[in-house]
Amino acid sequence: DTEVTQTPKHLVMGMTNKKSLKCEQHMGHRAMYWYKQKAKKPPELMFVYSYEKLSINESVPSRFSPECPNSSLLNLHLHALQPEDSALYLCASSQGPLRSYNEQFFGPGTRLTVL
Amino acid sequence: GIQVEQSPPDLILQEGANSTLRCNFSDSVNNLQWFHQNPWGQLINLFYIPSGTKQNGRLSATTVATERYSLLYISSSQTTDSGVYFCAVVEGTSGSRLTFGEGTQLTVNP
Repeated sequence: DTEVTQTPKHLVMGMTNKKSLKCEQHMGHRAMYWYKQKAKKPPELMFVYSYEKLSINESVPSRFSPECPNSSLLNLHLHALQPEDSALYLCASSQGPLRSYNEQFFGPGTRLTVL
Repeated sequence: GIQVEQSPPDLILQEGANSTLRCNFSDSVNNLQWFHQNPWGQLINLFYIPSGTKQNGRLSATTVATERYSLLYISSSQTTDSGVYFCAVVEGTSGSRLTFGEGTQLTVNP
């Protein structure tokens, strides 16, 4: 099963709201990723978790707060977002950065709109 | 960081035509993947191909790592092939950071 699931599919939130995006995989992967994709642009890496520890933070503003409760789950907590944060948020997973085979598999994404 | 360039940026085909998409990268890579992004945003894995040649049905890919490029071949295109094709690489020293090219927007007309 090469499936990564994400919830919700769509999210509309105000700038004062707090919300969370969720991602889950059951492939036994030990690396999980958050990407942000704006319209007509490629995905851009935000965070990498490796063995449940944050290993890469691409200078993402603190209004985005990642969390990895266990090896199968990845959350992205959102607070005080701006309209320019509206985008497709993609989660991915792979076996792990120390493995020679490290193909990344993506979830269907959460389309976020900030009003 | 590594630069990834894809060409052409846009491609319009008639159903049944063949096409070649190209991906150039500026440094050695540990991982190269080709994706198809459908209109709903789902990134579908096509190939994991840091080197060599692979085929899957009407699609095939070749990566020449020493010359820093990869090619994706689509034969007998169908309307369902429409979408954006991305090449993405992991630079040799970056561990797991996947860097995407700008993509090729493919439209297949009936």
